[in-house]
Amino acid sequence: QQQVKQSPQSLIVQKGGISIINCAYENTAFDYFPWYQQFPGKGPALLIAIRPDVSEKKEGRFTISFNKSAKQFSLHIMDSQPGDSATYFCAASVYYGGSQGNLIFGKGTKLSVKP
Amino acid sequence: EAGVVQSPRYKIIEKKQPVAFWCNPISGHNTLYWYLQNLGQGPELLIRYENEEAVDDSQLPKDRFSAERLKGVDSTLKIQPAELGDSAVYLCASSLWARDNEQFFGPGTRLTVL
Repeated sequence: QQQVKQSPQSLIVQKGGISIINCAYENTAFDYFPWYQQFPGKGPALLIAIRPDVSEKKEGRFTISFNKSAKQFSLHIMDSQPGDSATYFCAASVYYGGSQGNLIFGKGTKLSVKP
Repeated sequence: EAGVVQSPRYKIIEKKQPVAFWCNPISGHNTLYWYLQNLGQGPELLIRYENEEAVDDSQLPKDRFSAERLKGVDSTLKIQPAELGDSAVYLCASSLWARDNEQFFGPGTRLTVL
């Protein structure tokens, strides 16, 4: 129940296309859903995050769509660029006792954007 | 502002040898995390500190792993003795407060156990 299932494992998109990565969870207590971006040899970096009181959040070319009833959330990258080529991780956590709980990460999606 | 600093970046050791990793979090961040990242996997939490206190070490294999965070700033993660299966990237992250949960990650230490 603590798992976050991410798909696809890898994704190849043409420059200018839309990249879509999906995540599903079981624990309905999760209330914070971030996406992290990781380049080779670097640590993950927070890209965008959402809480379940909204169904969508957009920051530039990056959008999170959240479906509470389906227990799914997804990352959309519009106008994908070669510089977006990286591994993307979804994650989830529970807020309790005055602090956000530990992040549970998906297994990652390796995105390659072809020029 | 400097990010999370980790050293060494790479370490190669023989099995059964000890190894230690060091992390310096972002100045002022009171929460510090150590993660294990296997190849092709997401980070998995090993231990979380709030100031000097280890508030969650449930995933830390305590028979061989230990960690400390003296004075609530720098932290050290140790493995003794190392096993072949410990080969992975060890990530350190910090956040201002656990409530914010925006975690800033260091570049990690890639450990290879031969």
